[in-house]
Amino acid sequence: AQSVAQPEDQVNVAEGNPLTVKCTYSVSGNPYLFWYVQYPNRGLQFLLKYITGDNLVKGSYGFEAEFNKSQTSFHLKKPSALVSDSALYFCAVRPPHNTGTASKLTFGTGTRLQVTL
Amino acid sequence: NAGVTQTPKFQVLKTGQSMTLQCAQDMNHEYMSWYRQDPGMGLRLIHYSVGAGITDQGEVPNGYNVSRSTTEDFPLRLLSAAPSQTSVYFCASRTWGSTDTQYFGPGTRLTVL
Repeated sequence: AQSVAQPEDQVNVAEGNPLTVKCTYSVSGNPYLFWYVQYPNRGLQFLLKYITGDNLVKGSYGFEAEFNKSQTSFHLKKPSALVSDSALYFCAVRPPHNTGTASKLTFGTGTRLQVTL
Repeated sequence: NAGVTQTPKFQVLKTGQSMTLQCAQDMNHEYMSWYRQDPGMGLRLIHYSVGAGITDQGEVPNGYNVSRSTTEDFPLRLLSAAPSQTSVYFCASRTWGSTDTQYFGPGTRLTVL
């Protein structure tokens, strides 16, 4: 069964500093990996995804994520954090199939990012 | 495109009452799903559908029913609400391609007293 772990409930960072939100996964075969962001009282918004190719994926709002197959990780990064980045971040994984239960997206428990001045 | 829409935004029920959470999408997506979000639990899949007339159970299906009579609509029914169903519910949809992104609705906050 596939699973996602986000080991940090909360990450605190000062504005202007780099940030990293950690994610590790377990799935059979080559994974499809996603990051979503949730602002207060809103639905989830897609940030970026890794399907294949370059291990460094660039997404919305200046975020990027690095796929590391040997460490089964997909950490979210941003070189310079903004206060407006404060939100709940979810990592998700699914196997590369289009049929039946294998197509389900499994989410981590979320990491709250708090960026302060 | 309105994307994925959900109604109502908020709902309070008494134990034992029934209700239907509505979800609609206008992107012609084959795949639709319902999640519930609880603190510290992330999002858990309740039911999903890969097309009109086809539904299946997710991780936490007990107490919920779904149907998919059209591509656009995917309602979630609570037959007899319980306090354990107090949660925020999200509907999502995506195309059936291999690299597709899932789009989420704004959510319904449900409280069962």
